[in-house]
Amino acid sequence: ETGVTQTPRHLVMGMTNKKSLKCEQHLGHNAMYWYKQSAKKPLELMFVYSLEERVENNSVPSRFSPECPNSSHLFLHLHTLQPEDSALYLCASSPHPLAGANTGELFFGEGSRLTVL
Amino acid sequence: QKEVEQNSGPLSVPEGAIASLNCTYSDRGSQSFFWYRQYSGKSPELIMFIYSNGDKEDGRFTAQLNKASQYVSLLIRDSQPSDSATYLCALKRDSSYKLIFGSGTRLLVRP
Repeated sequence: ETGVTQTPRHLVMGMTNKKSLKCEQHLGHNAMYWYKQSAKKPLELMFVYSLEERVENNSVPSRFSPECPNSSHLFLHLHTLQPEDSALYLCASSPHPLAGANTGELFFGEGSRLTVL
Repeated sequence: QKEVEQNSGPLSVPEGAIASLNCTYSDRGSQSFFWYRQYSGKSPELIMFIYSNGDKEDGRFTAQLNKASQYVSLLIRDSQPSDSATYLCALKRDSSYKLIFGSGTRLLVRP
């Protein structure tokens, strides 16, 4: 496998369910990100991890819980979600964290399309 | 005021024409600017970046930056149907982890 892979690609869950999204990067990168993409809205940064340490939590509700067990894997644990949380959740990685001059290339996975009923 | 403004489109151009995609931003501290392309049902991919005022050319793509006017644009010469996609403008401060995206402009290139 190459690049950034996300599973599952599609997920339908009820508001009382608990589920997890998984992301794996095969690029040897040191930083990983979760973004949310809703229809007609800009990509929203949710979390940033650098070398397994969370370096940014962008005011995300606690019903979203990230986990980064190592530099290649990133999870997003979901519980008691709301219908407005339905969106495409994109994982991305970069060689180094983006805090630095002239850095801005993110390598995105194909996304996990989440529907909350 | 949105941090990054883009016209949602669709911008429709005939094959072979120049497509001009525009983006304005509100944070004067923004220092790096990026254009991502996102095909329908796919993830975004970086196509151009620019840091200095002026033009930067890469093949059929030219990025233009005017920091005084807080304006960045992407020109696509000799547009092809395969260029049909949503183009996302993004920016960041050098010290920040956060890449701030616009909502994107949908481009349609008619054969």
